[in-house]
Amino acid sequence: AQSVTQPDIHITVSEGASLELRCNYSYGATPYLFWYVQSPGQGLQLLLKYFSGDTLVQGIKGFEAEFKRSQSSFNLRKPSVHWSDAAEYFCAVGLQGAQKLVFGQGTRLTINP
Amino acid sequence: KAGVTQTPRYLIKTRGQQVTLSCSPISGHRSVSWYQQTPGQGLQFLFEYFSETQRNKGNFPGRFSGRQFSNSRSEMNVSTLELGDSALYLCASSGGRQLGEKLFFGSGTQLSVL
Repeated sequence: AQSVTQPDIHITVSEGASLELRCNYSYGATPYLFWYVQSPGQGLQLLLKYFSGDTLVQGIKGFEAEFKRSQSSFNLRKPSVHWSDAAEYFCAVGLQGAQKLVFGQGTRLTINP
Repeated sequence: KAGVTQTPRYLIKTRGQQVTLSCSPISGHRSVSWYQQTPGQGLQFLFEYFSETQRNKGNFPGRFSGRQFSNSRSEMNVSTLELGDSALYLCASSGGRQLGEKLFFGSGTQLSVL
C-alpha cells in the first residue's frame, strides 16, 4: 500500500540555522510528491511539488526539496530558517495526482530565537 | 479572490447525532476534496467531488457521505456520530483537471463529539 513516512515528529532549530525535514514514500509508480505547511488553526498551504523533470524543486518561502528515486525520498530543505517558519510540515504522495493525497504524520518545527 | 470557506468553524455534537459541514470553493474551481485530521491518525482522505460526481473515495465507513452542488459548493455529512469522529475536517478546492495542480485548503471545521 502507498505510504509516506516522516521519521521526525518534532525538530527544533535555531533561527538562522539550516533545516532539513525528511520524507520517505512507498509507491509503485512515478509519484506526485508534495510538501504542505500548516500553521496553528489554519489549513494547509502548498510549499512545493514534484512529478517530473528536474529533481531539485524550488518552492515558496525559500524552501526547496530534492527527489531521490533510489532512496524513495523527498526531503525538504531551507538554508536559513526564520521564526515565522515555525509550523507543522506535511509530506504527501498523490495517488490520483493531487486529487487524492496520502499524507505523512507531519513534522512539527520549533524555532529557537 | 476569496479563499476556500468552511462553515461552521466549530461544532459540538453528542454521540448518535448527525452533522453537516459546508465548504465553498474558490470561484471557478470544480473539484472539492475532504480530509479528516486527528492527532492519532493524521490527515486522511475522505472523498473528492468533481462536477457534482464523487470521483475519488477514501477508506471511511458509509456514515461519512458528501455531495456537491451545481455551484461547486460541497457538503459533508456524518451520521450516527461516534467519539472517534472528533477531528478537524478540512476541505480543499482546485480546478480538478490537471493531475499535479495545487490544492487550496480551507481553515477547517473543528468537530467535537461528546
